[in-house]
Amino acid sequence: GEDVEQSLFLSVREGDSSVINCTYTDSSSTYLYWYKQEPGAGLQLLTYIFSNMDMKQDQRLTVLLNKKDKHLSLRIADTQTGDSAIYFCAESSGGSYIPTFGRGTSLIVHP
Amino acid sequence: NAGVTQTPKFRVLKTGQSMTLLCAQDMNHEYMYWYRQDPGMGLRLIHYSVGEGTTAKGEVPDGYNVSRLKKQNFLLGLESAAPSQTSVYFCASSYSDRAEQYFGPGTRLTVT
Repeated sequence: GEDVEQSLFLSVREGDSSVINCTYTDSSSTYLYWYKQEPGAGLQLLTYIFSNMDMKQDQRLTVLLNKKDKHLSLRIADTQTGDSAIYFCAESSGGSYIPTFGRGTSLIVHP
Repeated sequence: NAGVTQTPKFRVLKTGQSMTLLCAQDMNHEYMYWYRQDPGMGLRLIHYSVGEGTTAKGEVPDGYNVSRLKKQNFLLGLESAAPSQTSVYFCASSYSDRAEQYFGPGTRLTVT
C-alpha cells in the first residue's frame, strides 16, 4: 500500500473551515510537511511539524498530529478562494530522510 | 535570486527521441531532486543528488539518467522517450534531506 494517503478532493464554501487529512504508515516518521501547489506552479512549503509535537498553529493554519493513529491534518480557517490549490502531505523518517509525498488533495473553494 | 529554474517549460517529443531537462539553483543547496507528477499519482521521485558529483535512484528511475557535474545544476536525460514519460517534471533543491524543498515551475513534456 501507499506510504502516505490522502483523499483526492475536498470542496468547501468560502468562509468555512477546511480540514485536509493524511495518514502515513512509517511509525518512525520524524518530520511531517504540508506543501501547497497552485495551478501551473511548483510546490511550496506551507508548514511542517516534528513528530514530538501534537499541534502547530500558524495564522489561519492549524496542524494536528496523532502519532498513535499515524494521522496528520491541516485545518485552514476562514477558507478563501485563493486557498484553492492542491495540498500535499509528506513524511520524512530515519535513513535517508528524503520526504515521501502523498497524492495530493485538490481543495476547491466555492464563493 | 532566481531560486530554482527549469529549462524548457514545454516540450513535445516523438517516441524514440532524446532530450535533456536542465535544472539550476542559486541557493547553494547540496540536495537536488527530479520528480514527475501525473494525474492521480501525486509526486514521484525519479532521481536525486546529495551533492556535486553524486546521484541516486528514486522511486521511478527507469528510462531516465541524471548528472550533477556542477553543484548548481542537475540534468535529467531521456535517452529514448516513450509515451509513458508524458508528464510534468519538477526539479527541487534543499539545504539538507529534511529541510524545506524549493521547487521549480515545472516542465510539461508530451511524448507522441
